[in-house]
Amino acid sequence: DADVTQTPRNRITKTGKRIMLECSQTKGHDRMYWYRQDPGLGLQLIYYSFDVKDINKGEISDGYSVSRQAQAKFSLSLESAIPNQTALYFCATSDPDSSEAFFGQGIRLTVV
Amino acid sequence: AQRVTQPEKLLSVFKGAPVELKCNYSYSGSPELFWYVQYSRQRLQLLLRHISRESIKGFTADLNKGETSFHLKKPFAQEEDSAMYYCALSGVTGGGNKLTFGTGTQLKVEL
Repeated sequence: DADVTQTPRNRITKTGKRIMLECSQTKGHDRMYWYRQDPGLGLQLIYYSFDVKDINKGEISDGYSVSRQAQAKFSLSLESAIPNQTALYFCATSDPDSSEAFFGQGIRLTVV
Repeated sequence: AQRVTQPEKLLSVFKGAPVELKCNYSYSGSPELFWYVQYSRQRLQLLLRHISRESIKGFTADLNKGETSFHLKKPFAQEEDSAMYYCALSGVTGGGNKLTFGTGTQLKVEL
């Protein structure tokens, strides 16, 4: 079983719709991250959380919000989706001792 | 602010040729640096970290604080090395470590 699981795997939504992307982990890590991957831009940090009560904006947080419902769950929401949010979205956790990151399989989001 | 720069989007080499993927960083403190790899249709995974000073799949990377670089090297490229490679920096911020990635380099090993 995967340690970091993202749902759904693929999603197509319309402009203006609200959408939530889910991430859950069984690593027991406090630190969780959401990144988006675009061709030529690599991985850009959207939001990160160091524990349930700690939420921080990353480099490209505009248009996104997050919720840390529990240590194991970190959800990303697009309040009003727009086409330039079409991308591959990755959730990750990191080990507090080694700082090694563990990634989910990614969610391919298309906004039409 | 912490930043990671990978100047090459694509690096194409022949099998058996040496490989060097460049990575430069900007960070005011003492950084932890990593290389991650993403093979086709697989999730990102850790390749190596500078603290362990290990060689993984023939790859090595040395942290050069004077040049603020952490280049990834392999003496003889193999076809299975074709993948996307990301350099990453873990820097202390607030209550934990923020992980910042470079833009990635696509390595293509040709026969």
